[in-house]
Amino acid sequence: ILNVEQSPQSLHVQEGDSTNFTCSFPSSNFYALHWYRWETAKSPEALFVMTLNGDEKKKGRISATLNTKEGYSYLYIKGSQPEDSATYLCAFIVGATNKLIFGTGTLLAVQP
Amino acid sequence: KAGVTQTPRYLIKTRGQQVTLSCSPISGHRSVSWYQQTPGQGLQFLFEYFSETQRNKGNFPGRFSGRQFSNSRSEMNVSTLELGDSALYLCASSRTGFDEQYFGPGTRLTVT
Repeated sequence: ILNVEQSPQSLHVQEGDSTNFTCSFPSSNFYALHWYRWETAKSPEALFVMTLNGDEKKKGRISATLNTKEGYSYLYIKGSQPEDSATYLCAFIVGATNKLIFGTGTLLAVQP
Repeated sequence: KAGVTQTPRYLIKTRGQQVTLSCSPISGHRSVSWYQQTPGQGLQFLFEYFSETQRNKGNFPGRFSGRQFSNSRSEMNVSTLELGDSALYLCASSRTGFDEQYFGPGTRLTVT
């Protein structure tokens, strides 16, 4: 059974703090790693799709790195804002199956 | 461009009944995936359709089935409903199935 683990489960930070989360996935038979943001009462929204070892992607204050050899990805948020409060999900695609296996997410709460 | 739509948004059914959920993808997207979300379980992959063919299936019983039409719209059917089928069902569309997924608002199914 393939497992994707995310840590921490939840995080409470103050506005302006920088933070990061971890996504761990099986390092064998890697195809792609997705990050999504899921705000309450909305649909999950794609942040990044990463495929290459050493990949670094950035969107505004949010960035992500990928290490496929050791099976982890980090998501960083610089200068957190209350609107960053959401659950951040990572999803692993194994082989070329296009079957996304999601982690249970990291719930981020940013206090103003 | 219009997003992914799902109907109905809410549904209450009785144990033993069957239900059909509908998903209309973004125009031009040929892949539609379905996910089940239950508390504490995260998003679980149900199946994925591409050009009317089921390409992948998750670990769900045969009571869960789906199909995709020539216009890429997809339906998911659950027969002989059980209490444990109560969940949020999300569909997501993408161009290829391997790229970023665009999620619909979900259908909240309650089985009593």
